[in-house]
Amino acid sequence: SAVISQKPSRDICQRGTSLTIQCQVDSQVTMMFWYRQQPGQSLTLIATANQGSEATYESGFVIDKFPISRPNLTFSTLTVSNMSPEDSSIYLCSVSGTTDTQYFGPGTRLTVL
Amino acid sequence: GENVEQHPSTLSVQEGDSAVIKCTYSDSASNYFPWYKQELGKRPQLIIDIRSNVGEKKDQRIAVTLNKTAKHFSLHITETQPEDSAVYFCAAPKPGGSYIPTFGRGTSLIVHP
Repeated sequence: SAVISQKPSRDICQRGTSLTIQCQVDSQVTMMFWYRQQPGQSLTLIATANQGSEATYESGFVIDKFPISRPNLTFSTLTVSNMSPEDSSIYLCSVSGTTDTQYFGPGTRLTVL
Repeated sequence: GENVEQHPSTLSVQEGDSAVIKCTYSDSASNYFPWYKQELGKRPQLIIDIRSNVGEKKDQRIAVTLNKTAKHFSLHITETQPEDSAVYFCAAPKPGGSYIPTFGRGTSLIVHP
């Protein structure tokens, strides 16, 4: 399976600011995804990060709030913009190759004050 | 309605007993069904998966069964141990072609020593 890292692992931010989360994979992957997991909840897909083009967002998530980049097949960033306390959550990237099997990064725990 | 429904939300068993978690899905074209285990504070880890061309798959104490006619699949854990305590998530593809999973709400399994 791919080795996935995320930075930062956690952060505490002030409302109104933005945070960019990085996801790095040790091998080229087909698909990269960004999820949000609120405490005690399931995994909610924010968007699919497309290499070289705009991300595909799920219902309820918009590019202005969660801009995503994927400049190559091993790296992606998610920015949480103009944060509010409701954005406090764990943000996870995941990757899959040709077999549909998904592997998750360690997550970024975000607290917004 | 939801693409994937998971039951029960919590499951408490004695060590050595069996545990069964069930998920139902809506899209009859779905063909890949993974199960993830998430321990507290950690990332979801794939524990077993099944594709629609088989009805059952086993890996030591865990097994997954698939009933395509009824559109449900189940995770079976035998001889449960305290280290099996975790939240378990099932997933099934969103309707529409390329594999993008939707996750169930999760089952909190507690194994009492």
